[in-house]
Amino acid sequence: KAGVTQTPRYLIKTRGQQVTLSCSPISGHRSVSWYQQTPGQGLQFLFEYFSETQRNKGNFPGRFSGRQFSNSRSEMNVSTLELGDSALYLCASRTTDSGANVLTFGAGSRLTVL
Amino acid sequence: AQSVAQPEDQVNVAEGNPLTVKCTYSVSGNPYLFWYVQYPNRGLQFLLKYITGDNLVKGSYGFEAEFNKSQTSFHLKKPSALVSDSALYFCACLSGGSYIPTFGRGTSLIVHP
Repeated sequence: KAGVTQTPRYLIKTRGQQVTLSCSPISGHRSVSWYQQTPGQGLQFLFEYFSETQRNKGNFPGRFSGRQFSNSRSEMNVSTLELGDSALYLCASRTTDSGANVLTFGAGSRLTVL
Repeated sequence: AQSVAQPEDQVNVAEGNPLTVKCTYSVSGNPYLFWYVQYPNRGLQFLLKYITGDNLVKGSYGFEAEFNKSQTSFHLKKPSALVSDSALYFCACLSGGSYIPTFGRGTSLIVHP
């Protein structure tokens, strides 16, 4: 069974640009969550999507957005990049069966903003 | 609201010695508790969880964790550390009805040969 796949793995952008990150969940997993990981703040929850609908949202500005497609693949977008957006962005999927509380993470997309 | 504290940024232990990585939590209602591990340049990997039942939970790679309700703790343990256990360890909790876990800030475990 293929794991959670995130692309691209590494990217470098400059301030003011925008970026789109992609996440393909485990087959059959309909929930996809996004997290931002930085050394200073640890893991911060961005948002969760289920069946193409955003179900939960963390405390991030509107520059951070996401969507989910009918095949459960998800994208997140960050517009008008700032230096502080440099981070590892992690995607996680989970089943919605019983025992639906364990997250399976992708390897992450490491974004550097110059 | 739920919160998780990992009081140690870093834990150092010699190979072969027992290790403990500490975690305390605050949650309303009964907690669901988790440990994840992150190796360099990788995502988080699930180790073990406590939902209900036996307070001692066994997980992957020989790790176990003990749920202590009175001390609101869920410490991760291993009887004999390996150099390959060196990684970043995250504790997480869920309260009933929520599917969004709160993570601790992580503890870097360094096992010295």
